[in-house]
Amino acid sequence: KNEVEQSPQNLTAQEGEFITINCSYSVGISALHWLQQHPGGGIVSLFMLSSGKKKHGRLIATINIQEKHSSLHITASHPRDSAVYICAVCRTDKLIFGTGTRLQVFP
Amino acid sequence: DAGITQSPRHKVTETGTPVTLRCHQTENHRYMYWYRQDPGHGLRLIHYSYGVKDTDKGEVSDGYSVSRSKTEDFLLTLESATSSQTSVYFCAISEDPGSGELFFGEGSRLTVL
Repeated sequence: KNEVEQSPQNLTAQEGEFITINCSYSVGISALHWLQQHPGGGIVSLFMLSSGKKKHGRLIATINIQEKHSSLHITASHPRDSAVYICAVCRTDKLIFGTGTRLQVFP
Repeated sequence: DAGITQSPRHKVTETGTPVTLRCHQTENHRYMYWYRQDPGHGLRLIHYSYGVKDTDKGEVSDGYSVSRSKTEDFLLTLESATSSQTSVYFCAISEDPGSGELFFGEGSRLTVL
């Protein structure tokens, strides 16, 4: 069993829909990162969380340390949000990655 | 944008040849990582460094070696490339992955024939 599990693996949505991507982990961590990777592109950091909630524009990330669970929400989704979203947890200086959630938003 | 560059960006080589990928940063960050990304596997850690000459293995380190003789450079070497090492390789940096942001290079696509 992977130490970091993401769901769903694939997600399609219509423009304007509210999107939720989930990340569960089974190890103790010091931080959790949400990353975005566009097709054929590089990887950019969206959020770093150690507790609570963060918001940046239409993106919201939450983490529940006790339940070992984090969610990434996208409000009013747009086709330019189409990408792979990756959850990564930091455990003793090492980063463990989920396999990603592929999101496609259609006009 | 964080100053992190990978070279080469694309390389085609033959089985058995040595290959070195370079990750260069201008951020003076302590941590540097090498990952490979393959379909169905996500990003997997090869090696990482937590300071000059301080390195440790990741989950897929067999067949790879690294060196960090300067803060700004982290080299990944495939001593004798195999077809199973065909992949996209990403370098990442962070001052502290437990409290700070991660920055990724643009990736290096390696094909071993």
